[in-house]
Order: sequence, then C-alpha cells, then structure tokens
Amino acid sequence: QQQVKQSPQSLIVQKGGIPIINCAYENTAFDYFPWYQQFPGKGPALLIAIRPDVSEKKEGRFTISFNKSAKQFSLHIMDSQPGDSATYFCAARVRGNFNKFYFGSGTKLNVKP
Amino acid sequence: DVKVTQSSRYLVKRTGEKVFLECVQDMDHENMFWYRQDPGLGLRLIYFSYDVKMKEKGDIPEGYSVSREKKERFSLILESASTNQTSMYLCASSGRDRDYQPQHFGDGTRLSIL
Repeated sequence: QQQVKQSPQSLIVQKGGIPIINCAYENTAFDYFPWYQQFPGKGPALLIAIRPDVSEKKEGRFTISFNKSAKQFSLHIMDSQPGDSATYFCAARVRGNFNKFYFGSGTKLNVKP
Repeated sequence: DVKVTQSSRYLVKRTGEKVFLECVQDMDHENMFWYRQDPGLGLRLIYFSYDVKMKEKGDIPEGYSVSREKKERFSLILESASTNQTSMYLCASSGRDRDYQPQHFGDGTRLSIL
C-alpha cells in the first residue's frame, strides 16, 4: 500500500512552461515533506522541503504548495528549462520513527527546447 | 556537503552468489538506509540502521541482510542472489529525526543477477 501517491507518472512541457507534480497522503502523522530530483545515473538529490505549518515555500524557480486539510502537496517549476528534465520524487516522514521516509513512485519530467 | 559513497556503480553476479554492497557516509550520521529502485515502483526500503550494530527491517527485507559494524559504513548482503534482485540499489544517510533532516543518497549500484 503506497503511503504517498504521486501523479502524473510522466510529464512533457515546453521550455518556459510550469510543470506541476502532485502528491497525496492519508497519514496525518507525517510532519516533513521533501522533494527530490534525480538525473539518470545519479542518486536522488534534495531539491526543496516543507513542514505542514506553512502553505508555500519557494526556492528559486521551485515552489512547494501544501494543503494540510486536503492532505496534498505539489511541486511547481517556474520557467522550466531543458536542464530540469529529470525524475522527481515526493516524500513524507513520520516523526519519531528513525527518520524513515515514504516515497512517491516518481514523475519523469521532459522539458522540450 | 554530505557525501554518501557506494563502492560499485555497476555489478554483475550469478544466481546463488553471495553479494555484498557497501556504503560509506562522511557526516557522522546516526541513520543509514538501503533502498531498491525499480521503474514505476519508486524507492522501496529494504533495511535501515539507527546506530552501530542496530538494524530494522524495511518493507521488503526478504532475501537480504545488513551489517553495520562502524558508524560510517552500512553493508547490504544478498545471501543467495536471484534474478528478481536485479535492480538499482540506493544507500542513504541522515541525521537525527528531531532535527528535520532529509536523507542524503549515494549514486546507486546497478546490480544485474544472471
């Protein structure tokens, strides 16, 4: 049973577009929500993270929107570039559980020039 | 910067062999994790360790074991490799739970079992 459900599985946008990747969860004990970016042949790298006490966090062109009541959060990439083409994973963790994270199934993003 | 190093990028082994995957982190992290990554399935936790000599099963521990004799090193062992264990294996480490620490990943070992 997937603890964090991620969609879409793949996404194609034109350069300059704003891809949006969504994640949903049920476990209200989750207290920390990072997003990871993974390029081919590399491990996932932390991109941006949010706690549930804020509704939005921006770092450069990347924004997380968080809706605690709906138990959903999403990643927006502003002015997307071909170099953003990668696989993106959302994750969530339960506090007090050895810093274990539950990961979404991943979204493969292709930004066309 | 946190560095998590996995000893092999690619590994080819035969069915029935005992396989060792090694991972070293340089940040004095308490927690270390082993995942396998398969297309469409995301990252699935095999085992993790929260201290030296301490280990806990993850979601898919069958056919695997782990060893953590030193804080910086965490080994994954395939006791008798099978073809369904062909996968990408990722090691991660993190600081304490209370500090809102993300996990930091190595670049993975792509393992093929023939």
